[in-house]
Amino acid sequence: DIQMTQSPSTLSASVGDRVTITCRASQSISGWLAWYQQKPGKAPKLLIYKASSLESGVPSRFSGSGSGTEFTLTISSLQPDDFATYYCQQYNTYLYTFGQGTKLEIK
Amino acid sequence: QVQLQESGPGLVKPSQTLSLTCSVSGGSISSGSYYWSWIRQPAGKGLECIGRIYTSGSTNYNPSLKSRVTISVDTSKNQFSLKMSSVTAADTAVYYCARDYYGDYDPWGQGTLVTVSS
Repeated sequence: DIQMTQSPSTLSASVGDRVTITCRASQSISGWLAWYQQKPGKAPKLLIYKASSLESGVPSRFSGSGSGTEFTLTISSLQPDDFATYYCQQYNTYLYTFGQGTKLEIK
Repeated sequence: QVQLQESGPGLVKPSQTLSLTCSVSGGSISSGSYYWSWIRQPAGKGLECIGRIYTSGSTNYNPSLKSRVTISVDTSKNQFSLKMSSVTAADTAVYYCARDYYGDYDPWGQGTLVTVSS
């Protein structure tokens, strides 16, 4: 299985900050990576697919980049609604696998 | 707009079989190039893919669960189902169904908590 490692595990930030979350794959996955946002008690929500494509309806302050083994999710200016847990997921090869999550907390 | 909804018992006894159904509304489960997937999340932990089914009936399973899992589809009811046998406390989790379009999951069901306990 392809292992996905996110960093940091927890991130404390303030409204208006620019934040970046990193996801590393144990082997090349080309650009087959998605990012999800999950709030407590809710299902994950797709934000980004194919590493950098913004899902319809997702605010443009979210962006993704990367290819191969290293990827980033950037939120350009944090809004109160953005405090949540974020997961990356590879879909280069089934079994698809997720990162362990990054919890974005209010500083 | 396609919506998914999980249903099934919230409590299962150890060694018994967990059975869940995902009902798809707003579109036909047979249309489009989609896989239909099950994913689970133990409390406070990350997400784990259980398996998926194509409308042709072709399946893929997580190797660590393969011996205990069966996913099936009923196109006449617009549903797909999960059966997991010989459950233990380690199978306690929120179980989600989701549509898989070439790898990314969207939409998801709201999730259903399954507790394995006597």
